Amino acid sequence: QVQLQESGPGLVRPSGTLSLTCAVSGGSITSSDWWAWVRQPPGKGLEWIGEIYHNGRTNYNPSLKSRVIISLDKSNNQFSLNLSSVTAADTAVYFCARLTGPIPQSSDWFDPWGRGTLVTVSS
Amino acid sequence: DIVMTQSPATLSVSPGERATLSCRASQSVSINLAWYQQKPGQAPRLLIYGASTRATGIPARFSGSGSGTEFTLTISSLRSEDFAVYYCQQYNNWPPRTFGQGTKLEIK
Repeated sequence: QVQLQESGPGLVRPSGTLSLTCAVSGGSITSSDWWAWVRQPPGKGLEWIGEIYHNGRTNYNPSLKSRVIISLDKSNNQFSLNLSSVTAADTAVYFCARLTGPIPQSSDWFDPWGRGTLVTVSS
Repeated sequence: DIVMTQSPATLSVSPGERATLSCRASQSVSINLAWYQQKPGQAPRLLIYGASTRATGIPARFSGSGSGTEFTLTISSLRSEDFAVYYCQQYNNWPPRTFGQGTKLEIK
């Protein structure tokens, strides 16, 4: 079955760029699913960041859109998140997930999820 | 944006009893609602989609109901492994995709 694994620096300086990668195994990122990022600040709820399809089409949370880029690396079966101009408010556990649904190309619910990686923004 | 409100914030129930968790949407989301379970230090796990369809491998003691703006997740006979935080998520009207703030189910 599909498994996802996040990787990247655990500490980012304020005003810097947060960069994470999600490696997908057990399936192809060129399938008819979307691939997403969700974050969870410590002790808080879940916030959708954005998603990408294998043709490069993206959807972003309007609250983050000016700072977010999600991209694909088909040769390595992975996708990435870049979040620029970070502040302490961006400190969170970042999850990658497959976004899927009842028909091909639908993007409804998140399943499965990666284990998540904590990113702290601090000087 | 559609705001998802879950209640209660914390629910204390004894093992073997029934738990009923609520999720309310600020406008109709039809049946385009999913439920997730999250245990400490773990990723969320999909439980229910389409408001009432159990995901693969989810035990029958988990059931979802509702449509429009009012939804319920019921766990019929609580087991120790069910104590966790539960989130609802709407996928009817986005962006943004939105989650509820979560209900913590704790042992009474």
